[in-house]
Amino acid sequence: EAQVTQNPRYLITVTGKKLTVTCSQNMNHEYMSWYRQDPGLGLRQIYYSMNVEVTDKGDVPEGYKVSRKEKRNFPLILESPSPNQTSLYFCASSIAGTGGLNTEAFFGQGTRLTVV
Amino acid sequence: GESVGLHLPTLSVQEGDNSIINCAYSNSASDYFIWYKQESGKGPQFIIDIRSNMDKRQGQRVTVLLNKTVKHLSLQIAATQPGDSAVYFCAENDDNTNAGKSTFGDGTTLTVKP
Repeated sequence: EAQVTQNPRYLITVTGKKLTVTCSQNMNHEYMSWYRQDPGLGLRQIYYSMNVEVTDKGDVPEGYKVSRKEKRNFPLILESPSPNQTSLYFCASSIAGTGGLNTEAFFGQGTRLTVV
Repeated sequence: GESVGLHLPTLSVQEGDNSIINCAYSNSASDYFIWYKQESGKGPQFIIDIRSNMDKRQGQRVTVLLNKTVKHLSLQIAATQPGDSAVYFCAENDDNTNAGKSTFGDGTTLTVKP
């Protein structure tokens, strides 16, 4: 089954404790991207990756890091989480060609992160 | 800055009626637009897309209209069903100058009354 898998689904952590949210896709997609979703602000892009070892900042990259060492995985790293990073996070992937998300875009189920 | 916005945050329709969800965008260079549906507790799901060289595209029960003159996008859902209740987002890409970046609107919550 084609899918994007995020882990964990729920996480409560303390300020400053490094954490990683994993994202894996099984569709051999070149393009992957991370978003955060906050009430009243919709989905905002954090980072994206056009292919292995190619990553770029989205609209709200501050406080986040990503890596793309292999095609299927695109982890989101919070080196020193702060309460303003409390949010619902989504990973997405799609085939390349148009650049960003396109008709083959798949989203993960989301990770609800709370930083206290 | 660039933004993609929806006209109304909420829309309530009667089952069987047609729904129209609107989206205004400000980046005239945007050339690819997508509508997503997000049900409660789930990630967004692709509905339909349209490129800037088109002004209309139809899918199953859904139609997207693009008016580049006024930078307006709409999603029409025919014979709305209870299963259509969700939050709907429009998103835009500018593949020529900023490939890879997708900007989303704030979302419209569609409620279908039985």
